[in-house]
Amino acid sequence: EAQVTQNPRYLITVTGKKLTVTCSQNMNHEYMSWYRQDPGLGLRQIYYSMNVEVTDKGDVPEGYKVSRKEKRNFPLILESPSPNQTSLYFCASSYRHQNTEAFFGQGTRLTVV
Amino acid sequence: LAKTTQPISMDSYEGQEVNITCSHNNIATNDYITWYQQFPSQGPRFIIQGYKTKVTNEVASLFIPADRKSSTLSLPRVSLSDTAVYYCLVGDLNTGGFKTIFGAGTRLFVKA
Repeated sequence: EAQVTQNPRYLITVTGKKLTVTCSQNMNHEYMSWYRQDPGLGLRQIYYSMNVEVTDKGDVPEGYKVSRKEKRNFPLILESPSPNQTSLYFCASSYRHQNTEAFFGQGTRLTVV
Repeated sequence: LAKTTQPISMDSYEGQEVNITCSHNNIATNDYITWYQQFPSQGPRFIIQGYKTKVTNEVASLFIPADRKSSTLSLPRVSLSDTAVYYCLVGDLNTGGFKTIFGAGTRLFVKA
């Protein structure tokens, strides 16, 4: 089954404690991206990757890092989480680039206290 | 990034046809129009994509007039399970990248 898998689904952490949210897709897609969703603000893109070792900033990249060492994985790293990063995070992938049919993960609800 | 304009919310009853219109006045020649559906606490799901005239799949129809400055997503005979947020986006399939952001979308509420 074609899918994008994020882990964990829920996470509560403390300010400053580094964390990684993993994202993996099994469709051999080139394009992957991360979004955060906050009430009233819609989905905002954090980072995206056009292919292995090719990443670029989205609209709200501050406080986040990503890596794309292999095609299937695109982890989101918060080096020093802060309460304003409390949000619902989605990973997405698509075959070639963002405008083709994008598949989204189930979401990760992160709370930073 | 360009913006699309959609109604913030719509109400409907089960069995009715629902039409959600999106305005994209600055659409470029190579831009396609894509619609997504999102249920609470789930990731958006691709519904339909088109360039001009009419596109139909098993879920919805997409109507795009000749000037392409707007588009209408049509959901036939909605059910309670169609209650969701619907997003309209514009982007270039040739060069890549969404030109529009996932904004607030249109919150559709289907009543019994």
